[in-house]
Amino acid sequence: KNEVEQSPQNLTAQEGEFITINCSYSVGISALHWLQQHPGGGIVSLFMLSSGKKKHGRLIATINIQEKHSSLHITASHPRDSAVYICAVRRTGANNLFFGTGTRLTVIP
Amino acid sequence: GAVVSQHPSRVICKSGTSVKIECRSLDFQATTMFWYRQFPKKSLMLMATSNEGSKATYEQGVEKDKFLINHASLTLSTLTVTSAHPEDSSFYICSAGARTSGTDTQYFGPGTRLTVL
Repeated sequence: KNEVEQSPQNLTAQEGEFITINCSYSVGISALHWLQQHPGGGIVSLFMLSSGKKKHGRLIATINIQEKHSSLHITASHPRDSAVYICAVRRTGANNLFFGTGTRLTVIP
Repeated sequence: GAVVSQHPSRVICKSGTSVKIECRSLDFQATTMFWYRQFPKKSLMLMATSNEGSKATYEQGVEKDKFLINHASLTLSTLTVTSAHPEDSSFYICSAGARTSGTDTQYFGPGTRLTVL
């Protein structure tokens, strides 16, 4: 079993829909990252969380440390949001990240 | 935000040759850099952790003699794929660790797509 699990693996949405991607982890962590990878391959860091909630534009990320769960929400989704969204955690005391397998989002006009 | 560059972005080489990939932190000093490999439609796999001025720490199953890592300065780490074979074809991504506002974070490079013929 992976230490970081994401759901769903694939998600297709109509433009304008509200989207939620979930991430669960089974280890103690010092931080959780949400990353976005476009078809060209480059990775952009969207959020780094250790508690609570962060918002940037149409993106919202939340984390519940007690439940070992985080969600990434996209409001008013747009075709340009189509990408792979990856959850990654830094285990307590470690320097490197452990990655989920990603959620492939396709937003249809 | 912090910027990490990789060069080249894409390389095609013949089997048996060696390929060097550079990872640079452009506007910050990175004491730690990470090298990842990604297969199609798979998540990133950590290959090694590189600390400036010391030997890299390789993950289990990664051949240190095949994937040579040099972290010569606080802004540059290089990954050399020696005697490349078609199975080494992959997407290689580096990230650089930085401390921002008292918090450790990682900034990712754009990746290098290696194709070995």
